[in-house]
Amino acid sequence: EAEVAQSPRYKITEKSQAVAFWCDPISGHATLYWYRQILGQGPELLVQFQDESVVDDSQLPKDRFSAERLKGVDSTLKIQPAELGDSAMYLCASSLAIIGDTQYFGPGTRLTVL
Amino acid sequence: GENVEQHPSTLSVQEGDSAVIKCTYSDSASNYFPWYKQELGKGPQLIIDIRSNVGEKKDQRIAVTLNKTAKHFSLHITETQPEDSAVYFCAASTNNAGNMLTFGGGTRLMVKP
Repeated sequence: EAEVAQSPRYKITEKSQAVAFWCDPISGHATLYWYRQILGQGPELLVQFQDESVVDDSQLPKDRFSAERLKGVDSTLKIQPAELGDSAMYLCASSLAIIGDTQYFGPGTRLTVL
Repeated sequence: GENVEQHPSTLSVQEGDSAVIKCTYSDSASNYFPWYKQELGKGPQLIIDIRSNVGEKKDQRIAVTLNKTAKHFSLHITETQPEDSAVYFCAASTNNAGNMLTFGGGTRLMVKP
């Protein structure tokens, strides 16, 4: 069964350092999402791509976060500089289409900022 | 924007009993309601979903009901098993929002053997 791949699974960094997370969606899925999940809460959308274009990044803290999906396949989420409050699980999801389609999640990257 | 409330936050049942988790949403334009199961250290896994043109959907021991008038939907798990223990999330989305999911706060289900 096809799955969303994410790496690394765990990342520990010090505040003010830069971190990057990678996501490879299910093959053929045009829509890709990045969510942040704080411990004990539900995921919150950070950014949504349709192919290589950003559809929604209204919740992305653009002063420190950036995301790209240059070839419309895999994607990278970057944080620079990391802050203590960025400690969370970063989840990537993908769906076949943009309208009303099932989103499939990857295993996530657990970020700890010291 | 959409707001999804989920209750209870924790639920403990005896193996074999039923479990019910309830969610309410605020945006009457929402038309897609998935439920996800998340085990410790893993990403959310879709277990069942329902669209606004149906009132109930069932898949073996799991069922979801939707009341569009009251703007609430529920997850029902029958004959619970210890492996059902996990955190369950409801979510809602509208086509107008480009498929963006708004999640509830989660319910930690514990099934005691």
